[in-house]
Amino acid sequence: DAGVIQSPRHEVTEMGQEVTLRCKPISGHDYLFWYRQTMMRGLELLIYFNNNVPIDDSGMPEDRFSAKMPNASFSTLKIQPSEPRDSAVYFCASKTGTTKEELFFGSGTQLSVL
Amino acid sequence: AQKITQTQPGMFVQEKEAVTLDCTYDTSDPSYGLFWYKQPSSGEMIFLIYQGSYDQQNATEGRYSLNFQKARKSANLVISASQLGDSAMYFCAMREGLNQAGTALIFGKGTTLSVSS
Repeated sequence: DAGVIQSPRHEVTEMGQEVTLRCKPISGHDYLFWYRQTMMRGLELLIYFNNNVPIDDSGMPEDRFSAKMPNASFSTLKIQPSEPRDSAVYFCASKTGTTKEELFFGSGTQLSVL
Repeated sequence: AQKITQTQPGMFVQEKEAVTLDCTYDTSDPSYGLFWYKQPSSGEMIFLIYQGSYDQQNATEGRYSLNFQKARKSANLVISASQLGDSAMYFCAMREGLNQAGTALIFGKGTTLSVSS
Protein backbone atom coordinates (compact mmCIF):
# COMPACT_ATOMS: atom_id res chain seq x y z
CA ASP A 1 0.00 0.00 0.00
CA ALA A 2 1.19 3.49 -0.71
CA GLY A 3 1.98 5.57 2.30
CA VAL A 4 1.19 9.21 2.85
CA ILE A 5 2.17 11.09 -0.29
CA GLN A 6 3.31 14.70 -0.18
CA SER A 7 4.21 17.01 -3.00
CA PRO A 8 6.39 18.73 -3.84
CA ARG A 9 9.40 17.28 -1.98
CA HIS A 10 11.21 20.59 -2.28
CA GLU A 11 9.87 24.08 -2.89
CA VAL A 12 11.93 27.21 -3.31
CA THR A 13 10.05 30.46 -3.65
CA GLU A 14 10.48 34.15 -3.16
CA MET A 15 9.03 36.15 -0.35
CA GLY A 16 5.51 37.27 -1.10
CA GLN A 17 4.64 34.36 -3.35
CA GLU A 18 1.85 31.92 -2.71
CA VAL A 19 2.88 28.39 -1.79
CA THR A 20 0.64 25.33 -1.87
CA LEU A 21 1.67 22.05 -0.28
CA ARG A 22 -0.27 18.89 -1.07
CA CYS A 23 -0.98 15.69 0.78
CA LYS A 24 -2.69 12.41 -0.02
CA PRO A 25 -3.35 10.40 3.16
CA ILE A 26 -3.43 6.63 3.39
CA SER A 27 -6.72 5.30 2.12
CA GLY A 28 -9.13 4.60 4.96
CA HIS A 29 -7.46 6.88 7.45
CA ASP A 30 -9.91 9.19 9.18
CA TYR A 31 -7.46 11.74 10.54
CA LEU A 32 -5.01 14.00 8.77
CA PHE A 33 -2.43 16.19 10.46
CA TRP A 34 -0.13 18.95 9.26
CA TYR A 35 3.10 19.47 11.20
CA ARG A 36 5.95 21.92 10.71
CA GLN A 37 9.53 21.12 11.69
CA THR A 38 12.22 23.72 12.36
CA MET A 39 15.49 23.57 14.22
CA MET A 40 14.32 26.13 16.76
CA ARG A 41 10.83 24.87 17.48
CA GLY A 42 10.99 21.19 16.61
CA LEU A 43 7.82 19.52 15.35
CA GLU A 44 4.75 21.67 15.78
CA LEU A 45 1.18 20.72 15.03
CA LEU A 46 -0.43 23.21 12.69
CA ILE A 47 -3.89 21.74 12.11
CA TYR A 48 -5.70 18.44 11.96
CA PHE A 49 -8.83 17.11 10.30
CA ASN A 50 -11.25 14.33 11.12
CA ASN A 51 -13.35 13.04 8.24
CA ASN A 52 -12.35 16.11 6.23
CA VAL A 53 -13.49 18.54 8.93
CA PRO A 54 -10.90 20.78 10.64
CA ILE A 55 -10.86 19.96 14.35
CA ASP A 56 -8.03 22.02 15.77
CA ASP A 57 -6.28 24.82 13.92
CA SER A 58 -4.86 26.55 16.98
CA GLY A 59 -1.33 25.83 15.75
CA MET A 60 -1.72 27.73 12.51
CA PRO A 61 0.69 30.61 13.01
CA GLU A 62 -1.11 33.39 11.17
CA ASP A 63 -3.88 34.21 8.77
CA ARG A 64 -1.37 33.74 6.00
CA PHE A 65 -1.71 30.01 6.56
CA SER A 66 -4.78 28.08 5.49
CA ALA A 67 -5.56 24.39 5.08
CA LYS A 68 -8.32 22.54 3.33
CA MET A 69 -9.43 18.98 2.96
CA PRO A 70 -12.01 18.87 0.17
CA ASN A 71 -12.26 15.08 0.24
CA ALA A 72 -10.91 12.06 2.08
CA SER A 73 -7.95 11.64 -0.24
CA PHE A 74 -6.56 15.15 -0.55
CA SER A 75 -5.47 18.07 1.60
CA THR A 76 -3.63 21.30 0.94
CA LEU A 77 -1.71 23.72 3.11
CA LYS A 78 -1.43 27.17 1.60
CA ILE A 79 0.79 30.06 2.63
CA GLN A 80 -0.07 33.43 1.14
CA PRO A 81 2.02 35.55 1.14
CA SER A 82 5.07 33.51 2.11
CA GLU A 83 7.86 34.92 4.28
CA PRO A 84 11.44 33.73 4.93
CA ARG A 85 10.49 32.63 8.45
CA ASP A 86 8.10 30.10 6.93
CA SER A 87 11.10 28.11 5.72
CA ALA A 88 10.77 24.67 7.29
CA VAL A 89 9.92 21.06 6.58
CA TYR A 90 6.18 20.54 6.45
CA PHE A 91 4.91 17.06 7.22
CA CYS A 92 1.55 15.57 6.55
CA ALA A 93 0.49 12.53 8.60
CA SER A 94 -2.59 10.36 8.81
CA LYS A 95 -4.07 7.73 11.12
CA THR A 96 -7.13 5.59 11.59
CA GLY A 97 -9.77 6.17 14.20
CA THR A 98 -8.42 3.64 16.69
CA THR A 99 -6.87 5.09 19.80
CA LYS A 100 -3.50 3.40 19.79
CA GLU A 101 -2.68 3.85 16.16
CA GLU A 102 0.52 5.67 15.46
CA LEU A 103 0.79 8.47 12.95
CA PHE A 104 1.99 7.59 9.47
CA PHE A 105 4.08 10.41 8.08
CA GLY A 106 4.71 11.53 4.55
CA SER A 107 8.23 12.32 3.38
CA GLY A 108 7.76 16.02 4.03
CA THR A 109 8.07 19.14 1.91
CA GLN A 110 11.24 21.16 2.38
CA LEU A 111 10.15 24.78 1.91
CA SER A 112 12.67 27.56 1.38
CA VAL A 113 11.40 31.11 1.13
CA LEU A 114 14.08 33.51 -0.12
CA ALA B 1 5.34 24.29 30.25
CA GLN B 2 6.74 21.68 27.93
CA LYS B 3 4.72 18.53 27.73
CA ILE B 4 7.59 16.41 26.42
CA THR B 5 11.17 17.00 27.51
CA GLN B 6 14.20 15.39 25.94
CA THR B 7 17.21 16.71 27.79
CA GLN B 8 19.94 15.12 25.68
CA PRO B 9 20.52 17.09 22.49
CA GLY B 10 23.14 14.56 21.38
CA MET B 11 24.29 11.10 22.34
CA PHE B 12 27.33 9.16 21.16
CA VAL B 13 27.70 5.40 21.36
CA GLN B 14 29.83 2.70 19.81
CA GLU B 15 28.47 -0.15 17.76
CA LYS B 16 27.05 -3.06 19.75
CA GLU B 17 26.64 -0.98 22.87
CA ALA B 18 23.26 -0.26 24.42
CA VAL B 19 22.04 3.32 24.70
CA THR B 20 19.23 4.99 26.61
CA LEU B 21 17.49 8.09 25.29
CA ASP B 22 15.67 10.04 27.96
CA CYS B 23 12.14 11.37 27.80
CA THR B 24 9.98 12.89 30.50
CA TYR B 25 6.41 14.01 30.02
CA ASP B 26 3.85 16.13 31.77
CA THR B 27 0.15 15.42 31.78
CA SER B 28 -2.73 15.35 34.22
CA ASP B 29 -4.74 13.02 31.99
CA PRO B 30 -4.68 9.44 33.31
CA SER B 31 -5.16 8.11 29.80
CA TYR B 32 -2.30 8.75 27.40
CA GLY B 33 0.03 7.09 24.97
CA LEU B 34 3.74 7.50 24.49
CA PHE B 35 5.51 7.04 21.17
CA TRP B 36 9.04 7.06 19.88
CA TYR B 37 9.92 8.00 16.30
CA LYS B 38 13.20 7.85 14.44
CA GLN B 39 14.17 10.44 11.84
CA PRO B 40 17.25 9.51 9.81
CA SER B 41 19.12 12.08 7.76
CA SER B 42 16.83 11.35 4.81
CA GLY B 43 14.07 13.07 6.79
CA GLU B 44 11.25 10.56 7.02
CA MET B 45 9.59 9.85 10.37
CA ILE B 46 9.65 6.18 11.33
CA PHE B 47 7.49 4.84 14.15
CA LEU B 48 9.44 2.68 16.60
CA ILE B 49 7.44 1.82 19.69
CA TYR B 50 4.29 2.62 21.67
CA GLN B 51 3.41 2.48 25.37
CA GLY B 52 -0.06 3.07 26.76
CA SER B 53 -0.52 4.58 30.20
CA TYR B 54 -2.45 1.54 31.39
CA ASP B 55 -0.07 -1.03 29.97
CA GLN B 56 1.36 -3.13 32.77
CA GLN B 57 4.50 -4.20 30.98
CA ASN B 58 7.18 -2.19 29.24
CA ALA B 59 6.81 -2.22 25.48
CA THR B 60 9.41 -3.99 23.37
CA GLU B 61 9.93 -4.11 19.61
CA GLY B 62 13.01 -6.01 18.52
CA ARG B 63 16.08 -4.09 19.71
CA TYR B 64 13.89 -1.27 21.05
CA SER B 65 12.37 -1.23 24.49
CA LEU B 66 10.61 1.47 26.41
CA ASN B 67 11.50 1.91 30.07
CA PHE B 68 8.20 3.24 31.36
CA GLN B 69 8.26 4.69 34.87
CA LYS B 70 4.81 6.09 35.40
CA ALA B 71 5.38 7.67 38.80
CA ARG B 72 8.41 9.50 37.47
CA LYS B 73 6.62 10.35 34.24
CA SER B 74 9.47 9.04 32.19
CA ALA B 75 9.47 6.95 29.03
CA ASN B 76 13.06 6.30 28.08
CA LEU B 77 13.94 4.47 24.87
CA VAL B 78 16.54 1.75 25.16
CA ILE B 79 18.29 0.55 22.03
CA SER B 80 20.25 -2.62 22.55
CA ALA B 81 23.25 -3.60 20.42
CA SER B 82 23.50 -0.29 18.52
CA GLN B 83 24.13 -0.39 14.80
CA LEU B 84 25.54 2.24 12.46
CA GLY B 85 22.10 2.55 10.91
CA ASP B 86 20.69 3.70 14.25
CA SER B 87 22.37 7.07 13.77
CA ALA B 88 19.44 9.46 13.55
CA MET B 89 17.30 11.95 15.44
CA TYR B 90 14.90 10.33 17.91
CA PHE B 91 11.67 11.94 19.01
CA CYS B 92 9.53 11.13 22.00
CA ALA B 93 5.84 12.01 21.64
CA MET B 94 2.66 11.82 23.66
CA ARG B 95 -1.03 11.65 22.90
CA GLU B 96 -3.37 12.61 25.71
CA GLY B 97 -6.90 11.33 26.09
CA LEU B 98 -6.59 7.93 24.49
CA ASN B 99 -10.33 7.56 24.57
CA GLN B 100 -10.42 10.26 21.96
CA ALA B 101 -8.93 8.76 18.88
CA GLY B 102 -8.04 11.97 17.18
CA THR B 103 -5.98 13.96 19.61
CA ALA B 104 -2.69 14.97 18.08
CA LEU B 105 0.78 13.86 19.03
CA ILE B 106 2.92 16.35 20.93
CA PHE B 107 6.61 15.94 20.19
CA GLY B 108 9.76 16.61 22.15
CA LYS B 109 12.68 18.48 20.61
CA GLY B 110 14.54 15.29 19.83
CA THR B 111 17.88 13.66 20.58
CA THR B 112 20.54 13.10 17.94
CA LEU B 113 22.15 9.68 18.25
CA SER B 114 25.50 9.03 16.62
CA VAL B 115 26.77 5.46 16.43
CA SER B 116 30.44 4.93 15.61
CA SER B 117 32.33 1.81 14.59
